[in-house]
Amino acid sequence: AQSVAQPEDQVNVAEGNPVTVKCTYSVSGNPYLFWYVQYPNRGLQFLLKYITGDNLVKGSYGFEAEFNKSQTSFHLKKPSALVSDSALYFCAVRDPDTGRRALTFGSGTRLQVQP
Amino acid sequence: AAGVIQSPRHLIKEKRETATLKCYPIPRHDTVYWYQQGPGQDPQFLISFYEKMQSDKGSIPDRFSAQQFSDYHSELNMSSLELGDSALYFCASSLVLAGEETQYFGPGTRLLVL
Repeated sequence: AQSVAQPEDQVNVAEGNPVTVKCTYSVSGNPYLFWYVQYPNRGLQFLLKYITGDNLVKGSYGFEAEFNKSQTSFHLKKPSALVSDSALYFCAVRDPDTGRRALTFGSGTRLQVQP
Repeated sequence: AAGVIQSPRHLIKEKRETATLKCYPIPRHDTVYWYQQGPGQDPQFLISFYEKMQSDKGSIPDRFSAQQFSDYHSELNMSSLELGDSALYFCASSLVLAGEETQYFGPGTRLLVL
């Protein structure tokens, strides 16, 4: 079975500081990994994904994530956070070896960026 | 760029009533997914369709059914509604045939069961 863990319910950071939102996963094979962001009363917006290739993936709004197979992690990072980045962030995984396309989401991490 | 459209955006129903949620995928996308997000919860996969055929099934109650029509839009039918069905229901679409892995989500339908 595939699963995702986001160990932090909330991350607080001052504007302009770097931010990391943590995600670890568990799949039997090689994972497909995704980050989505959810603003209040809005849908899930796709940020970035790792399928194969370079372990460092760059996405929307200046976010990037690093796939680390040995640590089974896919942490989301941004060098300089903005107040407008405050939102709920979800990590998701799919195990392509299962043939299933459904995503399994983590519990979400709320990012709060203070001015 | 066109996005996934869901209607209605908000729905209030009484217990034991029925509800129908509609989803219009991104044009040319061949796969539709339905997810349920309870209050303070992560999205949970319900069901998906590829080229109008059910392709996968998750934790969808027997009271719910869904289908994808010839124009690729999808409907989630919910009967005998319970208080616990109150949630945000997301539809997502992707273009599986092109090997595209990204699922693009709609804004969701917020269902409140009283």
